[in-house]
Amino acid sequence: SAVISQKPSRDICQRGTSLTIQCQVDSQVTMMFWYRQQPGQSLTLIATANQGSEATYESGFVIDKFPISRPNLTFSTLTVSNMSPEDSSIYLCSVLGGRTTDTQYFGPGTRLTVL
Amino acid sequence: GESVGLHLPTLSVQEGDNSIINCAYSNSASDYFIWYKQESGKGPQFIIDIRSNMDKRQGQRVTVLLNKTVKHLSLQIAATQPGDSAVYFCAENSLSGYSTLTFGKGTMLLVSP
Repeated sequence: SAVISQKPSRDICQRGTSLTIQCQVDSQVTMMFWYRQQPGQSLTLIATANQGSEATYESGFVIDKFPISRPNLTFSTLTVSNMSPEDSSIYLCSVLGGRTTDTQYFGPGTRLTVL
Repeated sequence: GESVGLHLPTLSVQEGDNSIINCAYSNSASDYFIWYKQESGKGPQFIIDIRSNMDKRQGQRVTVLLNKTVKHLSLQIAATQPGDSAVYFCAENSLSGYSTLTFGKGTMLLVSP
């Protein structure tokens, strides 16, 4: 499977600020995704990061709140904008592609706490 | 690390027992299913997958069973070890369409020595 890293691994932020999370993969992949995992909950897909075009957002998530970039086939960023305490979650990127085409593999996650 | 299992159903077993974790999926069009293991402070780790043309698949110490009639998936772990303690999620996907995963609620497995 691809090796996926995320930066930062955790952060504590103030209300109203923004945080950009980076996801780096060690090989070119066809698709990258961003998920949110609220405390004690399952994973919810935020959006699919498309290379060279705008991300595809799931219901309940909008570009103004969660802008996403994907400049190439190995890197993506997710920004959590104008944060509130309700944004405190684990944010995870995943990838599809590389050696396998059907299975998603996940990064270690970014643990965000908003005060 | 931060716990991911605060509000999840919990299965407690003794070391050496066999564990069975169940999952009901929602979409009858789903044709690909994955089990993930998530340890505290880490991202989900792929365990095993199964396609809808199969009803059983075995890995190392793990078996996944699929019952499409009742839309039910189970993960069996043989000779459970303390290192198996984690939250387990099932996920479903339709390979014929837009490739996104839908995750189940998760089950926390606690293994006592």
